[in-house]
Amino acid sequence: KNEVEQSPQNLTAQEGEFITINCSYSVGISALHWLQQHPGGGIVSLFMLSSGKKKHGRLIATINIQEKHSSLHITASHPRDSAVYICAHMYSGGGADGLTFGKGTHLIIQP
Amino acid sequence: GAGVSQSPSNKVTEKGKDVELRCDPISGHTALYWYRQSLGQGLEFLIYFQGNSAPDKSGLPSDRFSAERTGGSVSTLTIQRTQQEDSAVYLCASTRDRGLSIFFGQGTRLTVV
Repeated sequence: KNEVEQSPQNLTAQEGEFITINCSYSVGISALHWLQQHPGGGIVSLFMLSSGKKKHGRLIATINIQEKHSSLHITASHPRDSAVYICAHMYSGGGADGLTFGKGTHLIIQP
Repeated sequence: GAGVSQSPSNKVTEKGKDVELRCDPISGHTALYWYRQSLGQGLEFLIYFQGNSAPDKSGLPSDRFSAERTGGSVSTLTIQRTQQEDSAVYLCASTRDRGLSIFFGQGTRLTVV
């Protein structure tokens, strides 16, 4: 059974700080998604990656296939980055049950 | 359409009543997922449709829950005899195929009173 663990569960930081959110999974990978959910809002896909690194603006996502670990980094964090960040894993050879989600990391960036 | 569309956005129903939630995926997306997010909880998989294949219903919490997808497009999630513990945000998502970018609807917030 695939397990997806995220850390930390909650993170409060000051504006401008470098943020790292971690995600570990237990079985082989097909794709890993990082999602963002604002309070009361829908879920937006930030990245989908199966190897290496992707960058979009101030957001960077990396994945280490051997270690079964991915990180989401936010540089020069801003209060508008405050949201729940969710790691979701789709694994090779898995059944038809789609994505396995982490519990999410609740990020608050204080001005 | 341009995005995944869900309706209604909010639904308040009395305990014991049936409800239907609708999802209109992005045109051309063959994979459609239903998830549930209870207050303060993570996302819980409910059901997955892929093309014309039989759906994976392994996540449905009870036989009061059912879903169908007509013509490989619009999907309806039906909850019969609703209970208070069914209160949650029900999210629909679609992808062109597994392993590709996933797109979520805004969700239906269901409140059972």
